[in-house]
Order: sequence, then C-alpha cells, then structure tokens
Amino acid sequence: GGIITQTPKFLIGQEGQKLTLKCQQNFNHDTMYWYRQDSGKGLRLIYYSITENDLQKGDLSEGYDASREKKSSFSLTVTSAQKNEMAVFLCASSRDNSYEQYFGPGTRLTVL
Amino acid sequence: GEQVEQLPSILRVQEGSSASINCTYENSASNYFPWYKQEPGENPKLIIDIRSNMERKQTQGLIVLLDKKAKRFSLHITDTQPGDSAMYFCAASPQGGRALIFGTGTTVSVSP
Repeated sequence: GGIITQTPKFLIGQEGQKLTLKCQQNFNHDTMYWYRQDSGKGLRLIYYSITENDLQKGDLSEGYDASREKKSSFSLTVTSAQKNEMAVFLCASSRDNSYEQYFGPGTRLTVL
Repeated sequence: GEQVEQLPSILRVQEGSSASINCTYENSASNYFPWYKQEPGENPKLIIDIRSNMERKQTQGLIVLLDKKAKRFSLHITDTQPGDSAMYFCAASPQGGRALIFGTGTTVSVSP
C-alpha cells in the first residue's frame, strides 16, 4: 500500500498573496494531478505531470503554477489568491492515465 | 476540451431501491471508465471501473454498463443503503494519454 500526504491541511491567505500547496506520494506512481473542488461541485483539473519535471495544463491552469520536483512530489502555487475564494485542492497520483487515481486528503483554502 | 456529461446531478431514493447514474463521453478511443465515491469531508475513492473490452461488470451491489456505440456508461447501485449516500463521479480516459476527464458528479441521498 501507499499514501498521499498533502500539506497544509488548512490554508488561510490574504487577497493577492502567493500560496503554495504540497503533495507527496509513496506509491512510486509516475503521474500526479492537482484538482480544485468547490463546495458540492465536481473536480476540475488544474495541472498534471506524467513524470519528474513534466507539466501538463488542465482546464483550470490559469492563475496557478505547478512544479514536479521529483517523482514523489508535486507542488501547486496559487499565484495571486482571490478574495472570498474557498475551495478544496485535491492531489492525486496514478500509475498512468488508464489506472486508478489515488487521492490525498485535500488542502482547504480560504482567502480573506 | 473534451467533456464527460453526468446525470442526474441529484438523486434521491428510498432505502432498498436501486439508483442509476448515467454518463456520456465524446472520444470513441476512450478505453477506461472508473467510478469514484466521495463521502462528505472525505477524498474520492474508486469503487468500480470498466475497460472498453467489457460491456458489463459487477462487484457486490454495484453494476457498471458500457455501451461503446452510444458512448455511454452507467452505474447502478442495487438495494441502496443509507451508507450509499455520497457524491459519485464518473470519468473517462481521453485521447492521447491525457488525464482522466471527470463528470460533474451526482449527489445520491438514500432515505430510510
């Protein structure tokens, strides 16, 4: 088995602030993902990465940067937090795009 | 970009009855179709999946059907229990090895 950890669990930021979310996995999976989930809504793909140093844009990449520093870690940066923004950011990993994605516990973002 | 349409968005059923969720996809080359269950405050977890070489798959109280000609797949929860209350997401693998495309989710509520 393996585990995905996301830090921090809760993140409170100020409008215009640059915020970084981190994700680590020990499945030895090649592909990692970042999704945004608004309350009661679906998953929207922000970025994904199929291998170390790779980066692919999802439908929601504007306003975000990402970095796959090594195979086990994938970080997401909110480049300029928007006031009243509230969402959960979910990290996931998979062997490749045609296999099960395992999700982390999420980072809950609140922007004041 | 490619989309996966999921209906209904909300489904209320009586305990013991069945619940059905339908999804349609655009790309005829899609070959992997997972279903995820997300309970309140939790991360999404895979509950069943089907590949394009199958038309039907069953595990415990879940049945997945795939109609490749119609580009449609569905999840059927038989004999629903209160513990089946959750949000359910379908997904499909798009063309070119890109990330899974998720549907917008169905909130299932099972009442006693």
